[in-house]
Amino acid sequence: EAGVAQSPRYKIIEKRQSVAFWCNPISGHATLYWYQQILGQGPKLLIQFQNNGVVDDSQLPKDRFSAERLKGVDSTLKIQPAKLEDSAVYLCASSLQPQETQYFGPGTRLLVL
Amino acid sequence: GENVEQHPSTLSVQEGDSAVIKCTYSDSASNYFPWYKQELGKGPQLIIDIRSNVGEKKDQRIAVTLNKTAKHFSLHITETQPEDSAVYFCAASTSGTYKYIFGTGTRLKVLA
Repeated sequence: EAGVAQSPRYKIIEKRQSVAFWCNPISGHATLYWYQQILGQGPKLLIQFQNNGVVDDSQLPKDRFSAERLKGVDSTLKIQPAKLEDSAVYLCASSLQPQETQYFGPGTRLLVL
Repeated sequence: GENVEQHPSTLSVQEGDSAVIKCTYSDSASNYFPWYKQELGKGPQLIIDIRSNVGEKKDQRIAVTLNKTAKHFSLHITETQPEDSAVYFCAASTSGTYKYIFGTGTRLKVLA
């Protein structure tokens, strides 16, 4: 079974620019998560989707971050405008349902200069 | 809210020795505790998990123990091998929200 796919794997941008990340979850997984992992820390949840609806976005900086999951499958996470402190790895994860185990993708490493 | 503390932050062991990583959680309603291994440049991979109705779970060289009274759980790796070198994260989740709260990670180095 294919795992969670993410692209791009690496991205370098200047502050105030915009960037978008893409995630394709494991087939059949209804729940999708975006995490931010700052160097030396554990992943921190940004947003959780159940099918195409948002379940939890309490930790998402909504003034600059946005995410969508059209048709309940793929998802995109956007940052506009980026700040230096957004430099991190952005991980996508999926699970069959919220109470099931989460499986992570390889992540997108973002560097904001 | 839930908080998960993880110790130690770094751990070096000789090949063949055992390694133990400990986590403490704050929310007594937490009932699911996964452990993830993250290699350089990769996403976290689940290696073992335990639910609150079980005190111990083992899978070959890896075991996890849970003490609900003390609110802590531990990862035990026996007969360590160089390929066990990675960063290990514990997490705690509560039924209802099912939100994972991760520890800060332990960098394990297995010296050949």
